[in-house]
Amino acid sequence: AQSVTQLGSHVSVSEGALVLLRCNYSSSVPPYLFWYVQYPNQGLQLLLKYTSAATLVKGINGFEAEFKKSETSFHLTKPSAHMSDAAEYFCAVTLSYNTDKLIFGTGTRLQVFP
Amino acid sequence: DAGVTQSPTHLIKTRGQQVTLRCSPKSGHDTVSWYQQALGQGPQFIFQYYEEEERQRGNFPDRFSGHQFPNYSSELNVNALLLGDSALYLCASSLATSGGRETQYFGPGTRLLVL
Repeated sequence: AQSVTQLGSHVSVSEGALVLLRCNYSSSVPPYLFWYVQYPNQGLQLLLKYTSAATLVKGINGFEAEFKKSETSFHLTKPSAHMSDAAEYFCAVTLSYNTDKLIFGTGTRLQVFP
Repeated sequence: DAGVTQSPTHLIKTRGQQVTLRCSPKSGHDTVSWYQQALGQGPQFIFQYYEEEERQRGNFPDRFSGHQFPNYSSELNVNALLLGDSALYLCASSLATSGGRETQYFGPGTRLLVL
């Protein structure tokens, strides 16, 4: 069965600092991986996705993630945090691009301090 | 270009009642999926509708049912509401293509409170 684990339910950084949100996956077959962001009282917005092409994936708002099969990881990074990045971030996995059954982690709340 | 819309935005029901939530997919999309997001948790897949049929289902009881209309909009129905059904219900739409399905786009959700 597929699953994702997000290490750290809360992450706090200063504005301008590096953002690192961790995600490890478990899958018996090559996975497709996603990062979504959820702002307060809103739905989910796709940040980026990995679908077996380049292992380094660039997304919106300056975020990127690297697929590391040996570490079963798909960590999300941003070189310099902005106040507007404060939100809940979810990592998700699916078996293939033919299914919409996304399996989400429990989320990481990012706080950005001035 | 209208994105995914959901109605109502908020809803309060009592235990045992029934509720219907509605979703209009993004323009051009033909597939709708529903998710339940309990407080402090990630979304959990309920089911997916394509060509007016339920195609996939998550680990949810039969109290949860749905429908898709010819215009691709969808409804989620929950019968015999329990306190534990209180959650944010998210609708996501996508387009089925020959290579699979394109990216899912999520709506703002309907927040259901069961008292």
